[in-house]
Amino acid sequence: AQKITQTQPGMFVQEKEAVTLDCTYDTSDPSYGLFWYKQPSSGEMIFLIYQGSYDQQNATEGRYSLNFQKARKSANLVISASQLGDSAMYFCAMREGVMLLQGFQKLVFGTGTRLLVSP
Amino acid sequence: DADVTQTPRNRITKTGKRIMLECSQTKGHDRMYWYRQDPGLGLRLIYYSFDVKDINKGEISDGYSVSRQAQAKFSLSLESAIPNQTALYFCATSVRGQGSDTQYFGPGTRLTVL
Repeated sequence: AQKITQTQPGMFVQEKEAVTLDCTYDTSDPSYGLFWYKQPSSGEMIFLIYQGSYDQQNATEGRYSLNFQKARKSANLVISASQLGDSAMYFCAMREGVMLLQGFQKLVFGTGTRLLVSP
Repeated sequence: DADVTQTPRNRITKTGKRIMLECSQTKGHDRMYWYRQDPGLGLRLIYYSFDVKDINKGEISDGYSVSRQAQAKFSLSLESAIPNQTALYFCATSVRGQGSDTQYFGPGTRLTVL
């Protein structure tokens, strides 16, 4: 079964509007972390935001916020006031067992959503 | 200067050649990783290292080897390159003890094997 599902292959938004990129996940581990990364056309992977499964509040980082709905197992990324430079691929990722101090659980990525911001 | 650097950024080589991709970091992180990215397959882990003496295989290590020369340096080698190793390769780092163990990626190396 897919651990991370991003159902939107592509999304379009106009500059200055908000956009939500969907991510659902599957895990039976009570301790996990959710990450969003941005990959512009230049290729680098840029860390945007992190949400821990025990975090009481939704994570925010500047114009990025994570709409974390634990019961629905969703971790949608919200970008407010879109800018042309937000055009990129966006990947959701999960790592189980985040409270482990030893051992290793790999980071599992979704297949990504391509966001295009138009003027 | 970038915290995680990769050299070369682009490389075209022929089948059977030995190739080394290098990664250096100034973040002071102890954990380092190598991934490859293929269209439609997302990122897959090749090798990871928790310190200089701790190196582990990831999910797709066949055909690859690594060397952790120092805490800040982690190299990936393709002993005999084949065309299906054509991909975008990423190095990443993280730090033990940080709750999230967030991984920070280098700029990537685009490798083409003819």
